Amino acid sequence: DSGVTQTPKHLITATGQRVTLRCSPRSGDLSVYWYQQSLDQGLQFLIQYYNGEERAKGNILERFSAQQFPDLHSELNLSSLELGDSALYFCASSPDRGREAFFGQGTRLTVV
Amino acid sequence: AQKITQTQPGMFVQEKEAVTLDCTYDTSDPSYGLFWYKQPSSGEMIFLIYQGSYDQQNATEGRYSLNFQKARKSANLVISASQLGDSAMYFCAMREGLNGGSQGNLIFGKGTKLSVKP
Repeated sequence: DSGVTQTPKHLITATGQRVTLRCSPRSGDLSVYWYQQSLDQGLQFLIQYYNGEERAKGNILERFSAQQFPDLHSELNLSSLELGDSALYFCASSPDRGREAFFGQGTRLTVV
Repeated sequence: AQKITQTQPGMFVQEKEAVTLDCTYDTSDPSYGLFWYKQPSSGEMIFLIYQGSYDQQNATEGRYSLNFQKARKSANLVISASQLGDSAMYFCAMREGLNGGSQGNLIFGKGTKLSVKP
C-alpha cells in the first residue's frame, strides 16, 4: 500500500459527460501529480499541485482541470469527454524535498 | 528527443535467473533522480528503486539493483533470482531539478514487458 488513495477505481461514462477523479496523497506530502496512461501515449504528466497551488502543467487538455484543497487532497475534472479520453489516470504524491514518488492505484476511465 | 529510452519492448527470463532491463536517459540538469516502477497486470504502479545523480553507490533494494553509469547516461535495472511474480511491465523514469522543495514531475519511458518462464 503506497498510502495514496484514488477514487473511484473504475468509471464508465458516456461521451460528452463530465467526471471528477479524487486523490488523497500520503500523509504530509505536499505535492500531488496527475498522470494519464493510455495505450498509444504511454504515461503522460498532466499537472502538479504543491500545497494548494498549481506548480507545473504538462500535456493537459483545456477540457481538463484540477485543484488541490486545503486538506491537500486533489481532484481532476474531465469534461466534454471523448472516446480518446479512456485511460488509466494516476495520482502520485511526493514529500517536500523528498526523493520518492508514490502512486495511487489509479482510476480506470472508460468513455463509451 | 526522448528523455527516457527503454529499447526492450519485451523480455523473457527463466525463473531463478537474473535479468537486466535497459534504460538510458538524456538530461543537461546536473541534479536528477532515476526511478524504476513495476506495473503488474492489475495496473498499479509500484515503486521499486531510486538513484540520485549524486549518489556515489549504486542503489539496491532486496532483489533489485540499479546499475548506474553516469557517463553513459544509463540506469539499468537488475532483478536477481527472478520469480513468476516478477512478470509485469517495468518503467524507467527521471525527475529533473532536484534542488528545492517542490520536486518536478516524472518523465517515463515506454516500458519493458518482462515475462518470467517457469
